[in-house]
Amino acid sequence: DVKVTQSSRYLVKRTGEKVFLECVQDMDHENMFWYRQDPGLGLRLIYFSYDVKMKEKGDIPEGYSVSREKKERFSLILESASTNQTSMYLCASSPDPAANEQFFGPGTRLTVL
Amino acid sequence: RKEVEQDPGPFNVPEGATVAFNCTYSNSASQSFFWYRQDCRKEPKLLMSVYSSGNEDGRFTAQLNRASQYISLLIRDSKLSDSATYLCVVPRTGSYQLTFGKGTKLSVIP
Repeated sequence: DVKVTQSSRYLVKRTGEKVFLECVQDMDHENMFWYRQDPGLGLRLIYFSYDVKMKEKGDIPEGYSVSREKKERFSLILESASTNQTSMYLCASSPDPAANEQFFGPGTRLTVL
Repeated sequence: RKEVEQDPGPFNVPEGATVAFNCTYSNSASQSFFWYRQDCRKEPKLLMSVYSSGNEDGRFTAQLNRASQYISLLIRDSKLSDSATYLCVVPRTGSYQLTFGKGTKLSVIP
C-alpha cells in the first residue's frame, strides 16, 4: 500500500510566523504535489516537484515555497503566515509522469490567527 | 467554459436509488479522465479511470462523451456508505498536473 504521511493533522500558528509542512511518501514516487483545499474553491495546486531538487509553480504559489532535498520528502514553507493561508493542505505523490493517479496524505488543517 | 465544472449538489437520495453526476471539461485534447471520492474530513482517493467511452466497476459506471466534452458517473443501488464528495479530475495536456473539479456532494439517506 502506498503511504503518504504529513507531519501534523492540525496546526495553529500566528500571523508572521514561518511555517513548515512536511510530507513523506514511502513508495519511491517521482512526483510530489502540494494542494490547498477551501470550501467552494476545491483543490488548488500550489507547487509540485518531479524530481529531487526540482520544483515547479502551480496555480497559486504566492506566499509559499517548497523544498525537496530527498526523493521521499517534500516540504511546503509559508515564509510569513497570513490569515488567508488558513486552509486544509494536502500533499500527494504519483509514480511517474505518465501516471495520473495521485495518492494523497491525510491533510494538515492549518489555522493562522 | 471553466476547465472542469461540476454541479456542487448536494444530491440527497434514498438508499437503493440510482444517481448520476455530470462533469464538463474545456480541454478537447484531454485523453483520460478520473473520478475521485473524498469522504468527509478525509483525503481524496481514486474511484475510477476513464480512458475511452466508459468504464464499469460493480455499481459504478463512468461514461465519456467527447463530442459534448462531458463525463458522467452513475451509481446504482446507492448505499449509505456512498455518501461522499465526488471529484471530477482531468489531466492537463503535456503536464504532470491534474485539474480537480470542485466536487459534487452526495448524501444517501435511509
